[in-house]
Amino acid sequence: EAQVTQNPRYLITVTGKKLTVTCSQNMNHEYMSWYRQDPGLGLRQIYYSMNVEVTDKGDVPEGYKVSRKEKRNFPLILESPSPNQTSLYFCASSPGTRPDEQYFGPGTRLTVT
Amino acid sequence: LAKTTQPISMDSYEGQEVNITCSHNNIATNDYITWYQQFPSQGPRFIIQGYKTKVTNEVASLFIPADRKSSTLSLPRVSLSDTAVYYCLVVLNTGFQKLVFGTGTRLLVSP
Repeated sequence: EAQVTQNPRYLITVTGKKLTVTCSQNMNHEYMSWYRQDPGLGLRQIYYSMNVEVTDKGDVPEGYKVSRKEKRNFPLILESPSPNQTSLYFCASSPGTRPDEQYFGPGTRLTVT
Repeated sequence: LAKTTQPISMDSYEGQEVNITCSHNNIATNDYITWYQQFPSQGPRFIIQGYKTKVTNEVASLFIPADRKSSTLSLPRVSLSDTAVYYCLVVLNTGFQKLVFGTGTRLLVSP
């Protein structure tokens, strides 16, 4: 089944404890992206990658890192999480190098205390 | 920078046509508009995309007037399962591929 998977789906952690949220797609898509969704603010892009080894900042990159070493995986790294990073996170991918027709993962709900 | 505005909520009944409009000022010729549907506890799902005039697929139509300052998502004959939040997204087709999401329209379809 063609899909985008994220792990973990739910995570509660403490301030400053490094964490990684994994994202993987099995559709051979070029473009991948991370978003956060917050009440009243909607979806905001964190980072994106047009293809392997090419990443760029979205609207809210502060406090996050990403890497794209292989086409199928695009992990999101929070080196020192803070409470303002409590949010619902989505990974997405699309076939070309543009954010056309994005396929979203199921989401990761992160709580930082 | 482009900004998108959508109605916060809309109500409809089964079998009716629903039109959701998104206003987006300052979009350039190559910028394009995409619509997504989101159910609770799920990621958004792609509905339709277009640059101008009209695009139709098996689930919706997208109307973009000549001035491109707005776009309208049209859902024909909605059912209860169309109750969801609908987002418009403007993709700024510059070298940096910036995205501008709308804040979403919550559609409630009643029997």
